[in-house]
Amino acid sequence: GQNIDQPTEMTATEGAIVQINCTYQTSGFNGLFWYQQHAGEAPTFLSYNVLDGLEEKGRFSSFLSRSKGYSYLLLKELQMKDSASYLCAVLDSNYQLIWGAGTKLIIKP
Amino acid sequence: ETGVTQTPRHLVMGMTNKKSLKCEQHLGHNAMYWYKQSAKKPLELMFVYNFKEQTENNSVPSRFSPECPNSSHLFLHLHTLQPEDSALYLCASSQAGAETDTQYFGPGTRLTVL
Repeated sequence: GQNIDQPTEMTATEGAIVQINCTYQTSGFNGLFWYQQHAGEAPTFLSYNVLDGLEEKGRFSSFLSRSKGYSYLLLKELQMKDSASYLCAVLDSNYQLIWGAGTKLIIKP
Repeated sequence: ETGVTQTPRHLVMGMTNKKSLKCEQHLGHNAMYWYKQSAKKPLELMFVYNFKEQTENNSVPSRFSPECPNSSHLFLHLHTLQPEDSALYLCASSQAGAETDTQYFGPGTRLTVL
């Protein structure tokens, strides 16, 4: 079966750095997405990786290793507004998105 | 209005009621999706419409009935729901065939079935 694993919850301190990991086993791979979802709001697109390596976008970076079935989202200079759930999703060989259950990130002052 | 909109934002209904959820996208996309989001569970894809044609129906009970009259509008008709159907229902759209096929989501309808 297809599976996306990510931690259920993480806690970090304002101003610090946090890394949210995602591992996947899917039938085929056509890219990996990270979304941010604040409580009661829509998931919003953060990043897309299809090639190995690090993609940097401001305070957020996303890394992919296809051989290891692994990705992480790196958040730097954490702000209170970064408290949200972070969803990892993989586009499989049928171009269907397979979703993880999300990681709830709690930022403390 | 821009992006993906959904109405209503909140809905409480009894098991014998009939209601409809509405989604509209203003992004010029050609694919639209209905998802169910339950607490601490992955997003569950319910229906996919590509160029107004339904291409996916992931074993969704018949008490959920989708309708896509054009590429900008998507409805989810609800009837005789069960309490376990209470969840956040999210609509999304994308440009199918584009390089990344990124999905853009509406704010969702929080559904409570009594």
